[in-house]
Amino acid sequence: DSGVTQTPKHLITATGQRVTLRCSPRSGDLSVYWYQQSLDQGLQFLIQYYNGEERAKGNILERFSAQQFPDLHSELNLSSLELGDSALYFCASSAGDNQPQHFGDGTRLSIL
Amino acid sequence: GQSLEQPSEVTAVEGAIVQINCTYQTSGFYGLSWYQQHDGGAPTFLSYNGLDGLEETGRFSSFLSRSDSYGYLLLQELQMKDSASYFCAVRPLMNRDDKIIFGKGTRLHILP
Repeated sequence: DSGVTQTPKHLITATGQRVTLRCSPRSGDLSVYWYQQSLDQGLQFLIQYYNGEERAKGNILERFSAQQFPDLHSELNLSSLELGDSALYFCASSAGDNQPQHFGDGTRLSIL
Repeated sequence: GQSLEQPSEVTAVEGAIVQINCTYQTSGFYGLSWYQQHDGGAPTFLSYNGLDGLEETGRFSSFLSRSDSYGYLLLQELQMKDSASYFCAVRPLMNRDDKIIFGKGTRLHILP
């Protein structure tokens, strides 16, 4: 158990819809990261927050947004969903930038 | 651009030693990390090299040579449970394009 909790585990929705993925980091970790992993692909870094502030930004689409709340949990919002957004979305947390990242079990998003 | 190159697949025999290479093209980074991911599972942290040289953690070792733009993960006394994908990752030195970069992963097949 990594200590990182992601909900929901599975999400099925239709094109054009909007969904919110939630992540609770490991106790004491200030950084939260979001990644997208498509079938048989590597991890694509989306965005990182540190103690409520955006810390680093990857190849995150404009249709996607995220935030980290005062209690350090984070949400990833995906809107105007397209078939290509179907993927596994991982959240990870760490104590700091160069510390090991601990991954949640992921949210599997399926767009019909 | 910034990229990490890994072999897509490696096959080895149970009990043997295998080396998974990671070569990179990035101007500067904090360190090289390695993660393991079993099919259907979340990535788990294995090792981090902040400095050149060898880091050993049980059956796993990782090596970094910044001058050669090269690193590797060494797995000894291979067990069937080591069958998984292995990813190398770097965090480039801070700049306007501060992304975390993962390699596409190496799928390790263990033969009995």
